[in-house]
Amino acid sequence: TQLLEQSPQFLSIQEGENLTVYCNSSSVFSSLQWYRQEPGEGPVLLVTVVTGGEVKKLKRLTFQFGDARKDSSLHITAAQPGDTGLYLCAGADGGSNYKLTFGKGTLLTVNP
Amino acid sequence: ETGVTQTPRHLVMGMTNKKSLKCEQHLGHNAMYWYKQSAKKPLELMFVYNFKEQTENNSVPSRFSPECPNSSHLFLHLHTLQPEDSALYLCASSSAEGLNEEQYFGPGTRLTVT
Repeated sequence: TQLLEQSPQFLSIQEGENLTVYCNSSSVFSSLQWYRQEPGEGPVLLVTVVTGGEVKKLKRLTFQFGDARKDSSLHITAAQPGDTGLYLCAGADGGSNYKLTFGKGTLLTVNP
Repeated sequence: ETGVTQTPRHLVMGMTNKKSLKCEQHLGHNAMYWYKQSAKKPLELMFVYNFKEQTENNSVPSRFSPECPNSSHLFLHLHTLQPEDSALYLCASSSAEGLNEEQYFGPGTRLTVT
């Protein structure tokens, strides 16, 4: 069974601070997705990383896929209250049944 | 707006009721999913449909019955539920060609079983 561990589980910071959240596994994934979920809504896809060592940037968000494709990180620069939400990572095993393995998420609160 | 809609958004039902959740996707995808999201747990995959055929049933109790009449619509029929079934039920869709398994989620149905 593939497992994804996300850390920290909770993070509360002030507006303008930088932060990094992590997604780790002992399993290799063909790709990894990051989602953000706001209260009362479904997860919204932020990015997909595919190649080991890949770095993708989405405005103030920087995503990195580990060289061995077992882990990933999300770095946010100068966090804003609008970044508040549950950040989920999900790994794909590349099989034919399109299954994703989700972590429990990091709940980020950015205080004004 | 992700292109995936779910109704109702909120549902309260007794343990003896029968109700159905509906999901519709406007993305031209061929794979659809039901997930359960409970507090302090990862998203739990319940069912997968690919080109209207069920390809995954993740040991879900028979009180949950999925139906996929076409590639755009997915239902989850509920009967004789238990209080522990209270959760956010999420529908998602993806391209059957894989595309790194990117899934697009609906807003969910918040279900409370009394």
